[in-house]
Amino acid sequence: AAGVIQSPRHLIKEKRETATLKCYPIPRHDTVYWYQQGPGQDPQFLISFYEKMQSDKGSIPDRFSAQQFSDYHSELNMSSLELGDSALYFCASSLGSGGYNSPLHFGNGTRLTVT
Amino acid sequence: GNSVTQMEGPVTLSEEAFLTINCTYTATGYPSLFWYVQYPGEGLQLLLKATKADDKGSNKGFEATYRKETTSFHLEKGSVQVSDSAVYFCALSRSNQAGTALIFGKGTTLSVSS
Repeated sequence: AAGVIQSPRHLIKEKRETATLKCYPIPRHDTVYWYQQGPGQDPQFLISFYEKMQSDKGSIPDRFSAQQFSDYHSELNMSSLELGDSALYFCASSLGSGGYNSPLHFGNGTRLTVT
Repeated sequence: GNSVTQMEGPVTLSEEAFLTINCTYTATGYPSLFWYVQYPGEGLQLLLKATKADDKGSNKGFEATYRKETTSFHLEKGSVQVSDSAVYFCALSRSNQAGTALIFGKGTTLSVSS
């Protein structure tokens, strides 16, 4: 079965650079979520979109922005990168209308390293 | 606010031992509760869920019962295997609305040896 696809798998950037992470949800899923996971930490929720509209917002820095496109894929844009942004970034997707019967499916993440 | 507290790990067990990982939550209203598992280098996978009080979620020999009176959702397995070694996250969702985020606990690392 198709899973959530994230690209790239690994990304190395320098401080103050920008990065764009992409997420392709499971076909027919209309909801995407972005999480940040530091080493040995729990996933911290950043932002989510349902039907291309922002649906929930967590601890996303002002330097970050995200959107969901007409084909339901999503991109997380990160500017003025800091060393502390080094983490694993997960995208998850679900079918919004399914509520609790449509659990989140996670991708394998993008590992961002800021040097 | 809404939060999840898990027992700290790592939890180290021998194969066929009994497993309990404690999870308690704080939430307004009536959240749904989940256990997710993360294997090395992979994303989180749903293990089980319970959407209302006294519900029992179960999957692959794991069970957890939604206890409203003790605000708990402890994960149990009667006989663990080496392949169960992973990080386990307890999570809650405060709403059934589309796009509502899951709030995760800090995770408990389980290591099972043969």
